Amino acid sequence: SQQGEEDPQALSIQEGENATMNCSYKTSINNLQWYRQNSGRGLVHLILIRSNEREKHSGRLRVTLDTSKKSSSLLITASRAADTASYFCATVMNSGYSTLTFGKGTMLLVSP
Amino acid sequence: EAQVTQNPRYLITVTGKKLTVTCSQNMNHEYMSWYRQDPGLGLRQIYYSMNVEVTDKGDVPEGYKVSRKEKRNFPLILESPSPNQTSLYFCASSLWGHTEAFFGQGTRLTVV
Repeated sequence: SQQGEEDPQALSIQEGENATMNCSYKTSINNLQWYRQNSGRGLVHLILIRSNEREKHSGRLRVTLDTSKKSSSLLITASRAADTASYFCATVMNSGYSTLTFGKGTMLLVSP
Repeated sequence: EAQVTQNPRYLITVTGKKLTVTCSQNMNHEYMSWYRQDPGLGLRQIYYSMNVEVTDKGDVPEGYKVSRKEKRNFPLILESPSPNQTSLYFCASSLWGHTEAFFGQGTRLTVV
């Protein structure tokens, strides 16, 4: 069953602009992860944020987590054409032995 | 180089003809899993394995089998493929089920 839902489904911006994607989930989580997928290729892990963390940075990526609202956001600053890809959030629930559950993704298009 | 290797990358087969998609990882990970990705449905987990000889069903296990006889290998078996199993398949491995996952490059399967 899918727990995370990304918003928007698709996003189109110009190079240099910031891109923000959101993820909402339903149940208590252990951690939340963001992945990137170039067209038809394997997913690549970007960042993991634990339930007791509120913000993490990695290069041009900034992830926030609001457990009270059950939501996370991924911000890509100063976007480049090479950032064009689909971005997925994946949650690990906080009950028993849990594994990654992916959302349906946000398709990001960055135009030169 | 740390990697997850799937074979084949592309496969066209006929209904009912048994096939196996292989997956191998070189990171000594405990946890491996299989996903299928379909347009509009995101990634859905088929089966996962927490260790050698330990496997369990994911969200969409019907029509699939797996085995984990060695830590590094986790093949996906379709005993009698049907057209509704046409999809893009990914194998993934991680140290534990809740940690960063490494994905293979995918197997695009078409069943006619």
